[in-house]
Amino acid sequence: GENVEQHPSTLSVQEGDSAVIKCTYSDSASNYFPWYKQELGKRPQLIIDIRSNVGEKKDQRIAVTLNKTAKHFSLHITETQPEDSAVYFCAASDTSGTYKYIFGTGTRLKVLA
Amino acid sequence: DADVTQTPRNRITKTGKRIMLECSQTKGHDRMYWYRQDPGLGLRLIYYSFDVKDINKGEISDGYSVSRQAQAKFSLSLESAIPNQTALYFCATSERSGRRETQYFGPGTRLLVL
Repeated sequence: GENVEQHPSTLSVQEGDSAVIKCTYSDSASNYFPWYKQELGKRPQLIIDIRSNVGEKKDQRIAVTLNKTAKHFSLHITETQPEDSAVYFCAASDTSGTYKYIFGTGTRLKVLA
Repeated sequence: DADVTQTPRNRITKTGKRIMLECSQTKGHDRMYWYRQDPGLGLRLIYYSFDVKDINKGEISDGYSVSRQAQAKFSLSLESAIPNQTALYFCATSERSGRRETQYFGPGTRLLVL
């Protein structure tokens, strides 16, 4: 089955700098890759997603890139702000026909003012 | 997202007790999921259901059972709770829209097993 690895587990950046979180997946047939943000004490919420037929997607300060050949995808946050501080989870769709997600273990991002 | 609710929000129980966590949704989604979140381990799937008559085991179903009472309700039971089931539990729902399937999470239930 699918396996998703996420790095780093913690990341600290200065406000205004960029942050990059990387995930790798094992099943080359996976075709959908969402990213979730979980603020302290809150539920995970979708912030951006990408399908396997697209190499990059951008939404304001957030972008996701996908390299199908290398089986990795990354979340890029530019001009980070204190409110970007949260735990971020990547996920890959399971390809057994059930459309389940396999989540990465999460990255705790701290944006230092 | 207020459309997905979980009860209780916090629960303390003792080893060996049976407890039930409930999830309700008003989104009209047919798919529902139960996840467990532990520090450093991310979100792991316990059970999922694609309609009222469909129940499937996830990665870590041992020690848990579920019931899909209606399209809008999906309950998770711990038949005999043990301390290593202490965790944050999330319910989620989704509908398939083309090739994209967004999952919407409930607020979570924090469970402590003593």
